[in-house]
Amino acid sequence: QVQLVESGGGVVQPGRSLRLSCAASGFTFSSYGMHWVRQAPGKGLEWVAVISFDGSNKYYADSVKGRCTIYRDNSKNTLFMQMNSLRAEDTAVYYCAKSSGSYAPIDYWGQGALVTVSS
Amino acid sequence: EIVMTQSPATLSVSPGERVTLSCRASQSVSSNLAWYQQKPGQAPRLLIYGASTRATGIPARFSGSGSGTEFTLTISSLQSEDFAVYHCHQYIQWPPMYTFGQGTKLEIK
Repeated sequence: QVQLVESGGGVVQPGRSLRLSCAASGFTFSSYGMHWVRQAPGKGLEWVAVISFDGSNKYYADSVKGRCTIYRDNSKNTLFMQMNSLRAEDTAVYYCAKSSGSYAPIDYWGQGALVTVSS
Repeated sequence: EIVMTQSPATLSVSPGERVTLSCRASQSVSSNLAWYQQKPGQAPRLLIYGASTRATGIPARFSGSGSGTEFTLTISSLQSEDFAVYHCHQYIQWPPMYTFGQGTKLEIK
């Protein structure tokens, strides 16, 4: 079955950097676009970024554009998100999520990684 | 950006009742609308996609309808395990700028 396991979360000071990873299994990772979606404490879901199956196309929410980079290693079935210049408002659970296809919804989610930005 | 608005924010209902949740898009998303269920401390689970197609393994008591800008999720007879937060999600925009509604919480009356 599809499994997505995030890692790399933690407490980080404002202005610092953090890299999230997502190990994927149970499907052909290199065939699907992948997303990062976050959820601030007590809030709704906020889409953050998407990357195409081959890594050639990447799109970001305005809230993270220029500070975050999504990338993938298809040889290792792993998705990444490099987050720089972190702010308090970036505090959230970050979910790795699988797209079900082009113009298609997210069909599977990881359990999430908590990122806390605090001094 | 397409803004998704869900109503109500919270709904208090009793087990066995029929409930309808609403989701409105600020512009047409055709049928590119999904619903997710999220329980405390868990990741969201896909319930409905294409506005009305149940995802694999989703019970028949869940149904979705609508197109364009108005959508509904109906649970025909609430079970105890259905008390959760429900999110709607549009996936029509290109370049991708996916957006979610703020969620509707179903709580036990």
